[in-house]
Amino acid sequence: DAGITQSPRHKVTETGTPVTLRCHQTENHRYMYWYRQDPGHGLRLIHYSYGVKDTDKGEVSDGYSVSRSKTEDFLLTLESATSSQTSVYFCAISDFGRASTDTQYFGPGTRLTVL
Amino acid sequence: GDSVTQMEGPVTLSEEAFLTINCTYTATGYPSLFWYVQYPGEGLQLLLKATKADDKGSNKGFEATYRKETTSFHLEKGSVQVSDSAVYFCALSADSGGGADGLTFGKGTHLIIQP
Repeated sequence: DAGITQSPRHKVTETGTPVTLRCHQTENHRYMYWYRQDPGHGLRLIHYSYGVKDTDKGEVSDGYSVSRSKTEDFLLTLESATSSQTSVYFCAISDFGRASTDTQYFGPGTRLTVL
Repeated sequence: GDSVTQMEGPVTLSEEAFLTINCTYTATGYPSLFWYVQYPGEGLQLLLKATKADDKGSNKGFEATYRKETTSFHLEKGSVQVSDSAVYFCALSADSGGGADGLTFGKGTHLIIQP
């Protein structure tokens, strides 16, 4: 299994509070991704990173920001959480480019509930 | 934009039955195609992949063939087991982005195998 951890694994918070989710990898992969999983929608890309301090928006980026100051860590921040951001959040990594593969490997997920 | 369509289910089968989960896609260029599996409470695991037309991906008794003429990547298994019960996601990696800008997922198919 790819070395990907996410923290926290579960979080309950209140509307309007800031929340930061962390993804940590030990594979030294260049690309990292944040997805959210919702019933009836599958997984949708929030943001991704193609290197330290290099990030870009995905399909559902509104209300989210990201940062990547080190290769191994990719942070997802909800500046002011809303109930519509209740979801399961997955981090993924890819070694695309160096290994000539676009396979993504996923972390265990974080279940976030916004009351 | 790119999209993936798959039956959502739940699909309920008896043990040892033949499985087909349909997946069709819309994309420009020549995407790579994937099947991921998600067991209860876990993240997504890569099941198999195919990177060009007529390629067949296979793993753990599952197979899928990249059919460009019908834009399909149907998942099949000859004899399912109770342990195959999970949610299966079809996904594509856009050719235009080189795969680095994330995967596009179908909504997932919930498979239930009864003993």
